[in-house]
Amino acid sequence: QSALTQPASVSGSPGQSITISCTGTSSDVGGYKFVSWYQQHPGKAPKVMIYEVTKRPSGVSSRFSGSKSGSTASLTISGLQADDEAQYYCCSYAVNSFIYVCGTGTQVTVL
Amino acid sequence: QVQLQESGPGLVKPSQTLSLTCTVSRGSLSSGSYYWSWLRQPAGQELEWIGRVYMSGHTNYNPSLQSRVTISIDTSQDQFSLKVNSVTAADTAVYYCARIFDVSGTGRYFDYWGQGALVTVSS
Repeated sequence: QSALTQPASVSGSPGQSITISCTGTSSDVGGYKFVSWYQQHPGKAPKVMIYEVTKRPSGVSSRFSGSKSGSTASLTISGLQADDEAQYYCCSYAVNSFIYVCGTGTQVTVL
Repeated sequence: QVQLQESGPGLVKPSQTLSLTCTVSRGSLSSGSYYWSWLRQPAGQELEWIGRVYMSGHTNYNPSLQSRVTISIDTSQDQFSLKVNSVTAADTAVYYCARIFDVSGTGRYFDYWGQGALVTVSS
């Protein structure tokens, strides 16, 4: 199972919106609704921001939203803030094979 | 709030076995709503899922690691463990334990994580 493909880096100015893509296959991202997104600051554990493609856990800002089209999922951060600067990973659960696969990671830089 | 804490040796010699334990507090490993999982992250690299265990002891593993990995659970001690056999320098990473929220086939995401434990494979 190959890692999901994410852009290495995305940047934006404060207040702007950015979108991070996560491309898999019909066996993972494209086949099921179990795509989640994680924010990781340096030296810290990942924190879930989105699950089941579009759902936000309690306490996560509404500036974070998720979507999916075919085998590509996306995370959009609107109203970019300095604290959003971090590494972001997508992960997908493949129901038929009972495994998780995560993405290559995207560094978000706030200019 | 559920808390997870990894523990184990920070240095392992090549060809030996890496062993880590995750202790869970304020949360029950006997709940049928969760799986318990291990992931790892080499320095500056991506997250890699290692495997998961259910309260029954049933496991699923990453196919790329399956031949060398064992995950077990001890609900009486609120702990689950990871063993990786025949380690090499490529197994050097920060190892995370995490809880998977999975209620009646919904969720299926990592909702709580440990702080991570650095394990270095070196002679």
